[in-house]
Amino acid sequence: QVQLVESGGGVVQPGRSLRLSCAASGFTFRSYGMHWVRQAPGKGLEWVAAISYDGTNKYYADSVKGRFSISSDNSKNTLYLQMNSLRAEDTAVFYCAKAMSSGYAFYAFDIWGPGTMVTVSS
Amino acid sequence: QLVLTQSPSASASLGASVKLTCTLSNGPGSYAIAWHQQQPEKGPRYLMKLNSDGSHNKGDGIPDRFSGSSSGAERYLTISSLQSEDEADYYCQTWVSGVHVVFGGGTKLTVL
Repeated sequence: QVQLVESGGGVVQPGRSLRLSCAASGFTFRSYGMHWVRQAPGKGLEWVAAISYDGTNKYYADSVKGRFSISSDNSKNTLYLQMNSLRAEDTAVFYCAKAMSSGYAFYAFDIWGPGTMVTVSS
Repeated sequence: QLVLTQSPSASASLGASVKLTCTLSNGPGSYAIAWHQQQPEKGPRYLMKLNSDGSHNKGDGIPDRFSGSSSGAERYLTISSLQSEDEADYYCQTWVSGVHVVFGGGTKLTVL
């Protein structure tokens, strides 16, 4: 079945780096835009980053621009989020999500992963 | 800057109906949105894409009890025959092509 599973979360000190992965299955990964969304404890959803289906276009929220980098490996059906210079305010559950319409990076999200927790603390 | 506004909370009795609202501001009233459900301690789940004309595309396995409608800048999610498992946070989402994604603040639905 169509599925996204995130991994790579954990506890990290401020200023350090972490890379998240999102393994996709059950659909043609290379045909869809993919996104990262986060949710701080007790808060709502915040869009973080997006990548076009072919990996050529990448987009970021202002809050992470210059620190986070999104990428994908279509041969492994995997989405990544490289997070550098982490701050306490980056503490959140990170979800990957699939754009519903092939060829469009920005669209309704129709598949979500269960999320992976990132805690930034000394 | 496009903004989606949702009431922070709503409540309704078991078996009753409830209508949640998402209001678009600072953008064309023609924007489509998506509704997502987040049950406690779980990831979000796609419910439907809702167009400005009220037409909608529901996700696989979403019960007929969930429906959407639109009026101007308002987008609605109606849940009928409320069940205990409908107690969740509900988020609306829209997108600006090539720019960014916007979420509403979410509505916490309590089933009494």
